[in-house]
Amino acid sequence: EVQLVESGGGLIQPGGSLRLSCVSSGFNFDTYAMHWVRQVPGRRLEWVSTINPTGGATYYEDSLKGRFTISRDSSRSTLYLQMDTLTAEDTAVYFCARGSSFGGGEYFDYWGQGTLVTVSS
Amino acid sequence: EIVLTQSPATLSLSPGETATLSCRASQGVGSHLAWYQQRPGQSPRLLIYDASKRATGIPARFSGSGSGADFTLTVSSLEPEDLGLYFCQQRRNWPLTFGGGTKVEI
Repeated sequence: EVQLVESGGGLIQPGGSLRLSCVSSGFNFDTYAMHWVRQVPGRRLEWVSTINPTGGATYYEDSLKGRFTISRDSSRSTLYLQMDTLTAEDTAVYFCARGSSFGGGEYFDYWGQGTLVTVSS
Repeated sequence: EIVLTQSPATLSLSPGETATLSCRASQGVGSHLAWYQQRPGQSPRLLIYDASKRATGIPARFSGSGSGADFTLTVSSLEPEDLGLYFCQQRRNWPLTFGGGTKVEI
């Protein structure tokens, strides 16, 4: 059974940093692209970042470049998102998602339960 | 950036009826479009990919159609468990983008 379990969210002051983690199990982590997607309060979903199976290629939503860094550790089957210089606009539930084996890995076929990041003073 | 516009914002229907949800792209995306369902309190679930292909385990009453810039998700014989938010997503161009969602009330 595919499982994705996020952690690392919480309340953080503006300007602060957080690192989110997503531990994967039930599939060969090394052969799938992985993504972070966030959902702002209300309902809108927003793609955040993608990393290819080897970690050699990364993609970011333009407004997040330079502040967020995606990475992966195959020895731990874990995906990370380092978030720096956080603002209130980063407040959201952050989901880890597996890239599908079809569609170039750019659909999201399994999702974690999400971790809430709240940026507030 | 490709903008996806979903309509209607909310759809109120009764069990057994058919839901028709629309997703319009600001430019053509070919067939590179997916649909997701998000039940209350849950994470999104992939329903349809490549505009019309059902994901693993998705019932046949969920169907997708369209290509280019106009897409439709049809949910026939609505069941109470079908309530929630439905999102479209394109993978034609980076950045990957989602529509604003349609809320289905039953």
